[in-house]
Amino acid sequence: DGGITQSPKYLFRKEGQNVTLSCEQNLNHDAMYWYRQDPGQGLRLIYYSQIVNDFQKGDIAEGYSVSREKKESFPLTVTSAQKNPTAFYLCASSIDTSLYGYTFGSGTRLTVV
Amino acid sequence: EDQVTQSPEALRLQEGESSSLNCSYTVSGLRGLFWYRQDPGKGPEFLFTLYSAGEEKEKERLKATLTKKESFLHITAPKPEDSATYLCAVQAGGNNNDMRFGAGTRLTVKP
Repeated sequence: DGGITQSPKYLFRKEGQNVTLSCEQNLNHDAMYWYRQDPGQGLRLIYYSQIVNDFQKGDIAEGYSVSREKKESFPLTVTSAQKNPTAFYLCASSIDTSLYGYTFGSGTRLTVV
Repeated sequence: EDQVTQSPEALRLQEGESSSLNCSYTVSGLRGLFWYRQDPGKGPEFLFTLYSAGEEKEKERLKATLTKKESFLHITAPKPEDSATYLCAVQAGGNNNDMRFGAGTRLTVKP
């Protein structure tokens, strides 16, 4: 079955550590996105990519980095510069600039310990 | 600035008690309005896209409608399995990759 796989489901980060969240899709979608979800707030866009080797900052890119070396993969690194990283992170993909809606992964819950 | 506001924040219904969820939006040039369903600890699941005022879409017990300022998600005779958070999002004409999400309405349906 086609879909988006995010791993790990749960991740614990120590202060000062960088961690990388994985996102893989087999839907042959061109566009991929990373969102952050906090209680009581709407999803906020971190980064997005329309094609391989190209990506753009979203509203809250500070303290995060991404790469898009393959069409199927869009990993997100949460760096030590992100001061409040505890959140639920969602990866999504779409056919293009999409009025068809996004397909989301099942999310990664990141907690700072 | 584009904004999406959903109300109420939370809604508790008895099984079979119909109701509506609201999504008010302010965008410059609406390209599409989207409804998603999100279960706890999971990613949102796409439900509908609405493109223009007056449009309606239906799926089982759900019907989404759109005006120039808001969208409603009507739930007819809900069942406990309809319990979830429902998210509304809008995509504006000026930016192809900027989908703005509301904070969601958490629906609980009691048997």
